[in-house]
Amino acid sequence: GENVEQHPSTLSVQEGDSAVIKCTYSDSASNYFPWYKQELGKGPQLIIDIRSNVGEKKDQRIAVTLNKTAKHFSLHITETQPEDSAVYFCAASPPQGGKLIFGQGTELSVKP
Amino acid sequence: EAEVAQSPRYKITEKSQAVAFWCDPISGHATLYWYRQILGQGPELLVQFQDESVVDDSQLPKDRFSAERLKGVDSTLKIQPAELGDSAMYLCASSSRTSGWNEQFFGPGTRLTVL
Repeated sequence: GENVEQHPSTLSVQEGDSAVIKCTYSDSASNYFPWYKQELGKGPQLIIDIRSNVGEKKDQRIAVTLNKTAKHFSLHITETQPEDSAVYFCAASPPQGGKLIFGQGTELSVKP
Repeated sequence: EAEVAQSPRYKITEKSQAVAFWCDPISGHATLYWYRQILGQGPELLVQFQDESVVDDSQLPKDRFSAERLKGVDSTLKIQPAELGDSAMYLCASSSRTSGWNEQFFGPGTRLTVL
């Protein structure tokens, strides 16, 4: 079945710096790749996604890239702020929909 | 903005007791998911409904877990009897696929502690 690997598990940056989180997936048929932000005690919040027919997508300070050949996708956060501190999860979805397969999560800490 | 509702937010119970969680998806979302999230890990699917029908319950421990979505709207997940290893966050998500993609929106979750 599908497997998603996420790195790093923890990431600490200074306010204003950039943060990059990387994920790889195993099922080449996967075609939808969402990213979620989860704050302590809350449910995951969908912050951005990328679809297999697109290589890159940007939304203000957040961007995602997808390399289908390498089965690799990444989240980039620029000009980080303390409120960006949270656990971030990548996920992959098969083309027919159904369950999302999540990575193990990255705990991002942005220090003022 | 429409949101997925879940209750209770927190539940503490003793092992061997029964517990139940409730979820109300975003209005109009035909697909409903129950995920379990163990501390420090990503969510894992327990059961998926399409309207009132179960589509995927392959990872649901059916000896103690049950789920229903009788009218194809809200849903209940039950555990009986609860075990220590069931302590986790139980998340409900919903999707409509009107965009053609598998966008899933999560509720705030129910944090279960089994003593």
